[in-house]
Amino acid sequence: LAKTTQPISMDSYEGQEVNITCSHNNIATNDYITWYQQFPSQGPRFIIQGYKTKVTNEVASLFIPADRKSSTLSLPRVSLSDTAVYYCLVGDSQAGTALIFGKGTTLSVSS
Amino acid sequence: NAGVTQTPKFRVLKTGQSMTLLCAQDMNHEYMYWYRQDPGMGLRLIHYSVGEGTTAKGEVPDGYNVSRLKKQNFLLGLESAAPSQTSVYFCASSRNYLDRYEQYFGPGTRLTVT
Repeated sequence: LAKTTQPISMDSYEGQEVNITCSHNNIATNDYITWYQQFPSQGPRFIIQGYKTKVTNEVASLFIPADRKSSTLSLPRVSLSDTAVYYCLVGDSQAGTALIFGKGTTLSVSS
Repeated sequence: NAGVTQTPKFRVLKTGQSMTLLCAQDMNHEYMYWYRQDPGMGLRLIHYSVGEGTTAKGEVPDGYNVSRLKKQNFLLGLESAAPSQTSVYFCASSRNYLDRYEQYFGPGTRLTVT
């Protein structure tokens, strides 16, 4: 299983860029890296997914180095509403469709 | 387009009682999943289905059963509830195998077993 390690918590202020790094040393060749966001009392929401280099969408950017043993989720100019738990997941190709959710990173944004 | 809906939103059960949680999706997704989330923990996969009429065990299947008689519905059953099953249950769906990492989640069912 491709386990992931990410910081338990991070603090930021409104308007700053936030980078959350996830380490996944045992990532398999066919695995993708996916990030989810979860607000209190809600289900997780898909943010972004990538395989290598850089992926960008309207919400975030995902940076993946060549060795793919880590990845960084970048949130530009965060606001109070970005306060949430962020999960880094690596697709477990051996288990088929199972995504392994860790404890995630709790991001707190202050004004 | 409601996405993924779950019924009920809250439920309190006594130990030994049974219940069924209903998940419905209107996105014509092939894959559906049931997770549980305990305080301070990530989500753990209970069971999943890759298509109508098929189900498979996830990480924590004991004490639960599932059925997928219709493509849009995925039922999670607790035959004899135990306090250890107190949790928030999330249902999710994804389009197909290629998009299995992009899952759409429902709002959750908060279950308390006393």
